[in-house]
Amino acid sequence: AQSVSQHNHHVILSEAASLELGCNYSYGGTVNLFWYVQYPGQHLQLLLKYFSGDPLVKGIKGFEAEFIKSKFSFNLRKPSVQWSDTAEYFCAVKRTTSGTYKYIFGTGTRLKVLA
Amino acid sequence: GAVVSQHPSRVICKSGTSVKIECRSLDFQATTMFWYRQFPKQSLMLMATSNEGSKATYEQGVEKDKFLINHASLTLSTLTVTSAHPEDSSFYICSRGQGAPIAKNIQYFGAGTRLSVL
Repeated sequence: AQSVSQHNHHVILSEAASLELGCNYSYGGTVNLFWYVQYPGQHLQLLLKYFSGDPLVKGIKGFEAEFIKSKFSFNLRKPSVQWSDTAEYFCAVKRTTSGTYKYIFGTGTRLKVLA
Repeated sequence: GAVVSQHPSRVICKSGTSVKIECRSLDFQATTMFWYRQFPKQSLMLMATSNEGSKATYEQGVEKDKFLINHASLTLSTLTVTSAHPEDSSFYICSRGQGAPIAKNIQYFGAGTRLSVL
């Protein structure tokens, strides 16, 4: 079945540690890729996006993600996490078909950063 | 600031009653809006695509008569959970896209509505 997989459900890191969250999708064809973040008690916010071009995408707050087409992956990275990065992170794929589109989300990764 | 407003943020109702959730696009006319459902510790599941001036497009497995969607204006879409049952208790989130062409479209989300059916 077509899906978006996030392998890490819970991640606990200490401040200044490096972060990499995995995201794999199983859709063929052209896709747009996103990472959204949901801070405690807040709504989903866009962290970064990939439409085309440079597969290394830089987002807000020092996050970046790399699109590797051959691996159907779009992993999220941050060299040095902060306590304020504690949140839930969702990978999403946008599929466009016949002029319409929809988003499919991964199951989310809950990140806790220890001060 | 928020570009999508969702109301109410929380609702508790008795089994058998209907609940209406509003989703407003505050700064942009949205011909298309989306409704998601999020179960505890799970991802957002797309329920339906709300189309202004026409019928909503429901995802497979979502009951149209159970989850009524109305998108009567370019800034408002409503989701009505009819004859709610405890299994309908969940977190409902709406979103709208911004940007053209579709290939450049990104989503903005409401804060969500937590529905608890007793």
